[in-house]
Amino acid sequence: NAGVTQTPKFQVLKTGQSMTLQCAQDMNHNSMYWYRQDPGMGLRLIYYSASEGTTDKGEVPNGYNVSRLNKREFSLRLESAAPSQTSVYFCASIKAGFSSEKLFFGSGTQLSVL
Amino acid sequence: EDQVTQSPEALRLQEGESSSLNCSYTVSGLRGLFWYRQDPGKGPEFLFTLYSAGEEKEKERLKATLTKKESFLHITAPKPEDSATYLCAVRANFGNEKLTFGTGTRLTIIP
Repeated sequence: NAGVTQTPKFQVLKTGQSMTLQCAQDMNHNSMYWYRQDPGMGLRLIYYSASEGTTDKGEVPNGYNVSRLNKREFSLRLESAAPSQTSVYFCASIKAGFSSEKLFFGSGTQLSVL
Repeated sequence: EDQVTQSPEALRLQEGESSSLNCSYTVSGLRGLFWYRQDPGKGPEFLFTLYSAGEEKEKERLKATLTKKESFLHITAPKPEDSATYLCAVRANFGNEKLTFGTGTRLTIIP
């Protein structure tokens, strides 16, 4: 049982380049999330998906797109990377249930945009 | 808009010195309040979920409590391995799948 798997772990991009961050969970969770974490700002929600086929904007969606490919996979795409997108990105999924909700995180992707 | 404020930003304690971390929140109907631990270079690790005022949960040296406006994470007789950043998050009532995080408290336990 791998939990939430993110790839890649590290990435360096030049301004204007594009890339996709991959995330997959094997826990049969309905809801999945993408967060970015910056020093002093905590975890900020980029996009989330409450179920397969649906996606919604979070707090900081500009410059990003997402795809909920199926129940397992939720990808985050940077179409034209900017230095302001240098951050650590976390994917997460939630086991929802009465009095038993837990959000599980991946190990993160450290992205640098030069 | 949901808001979460954690205090203090950083806390240094001697080993064995008990203390509490605070998480104040504003949410339109609380569905759940989450506590996480995060070690450097790693993803947050789940600790507790609290659902209603008066609820308490414990795990080893940690105890989380909840009121209508805030939550406390009490650390009793901490050890150096308890050093980490502790994050608090809230989730609003059904119909809203967002989780809003605070900026965390960086806890250092000195041997």
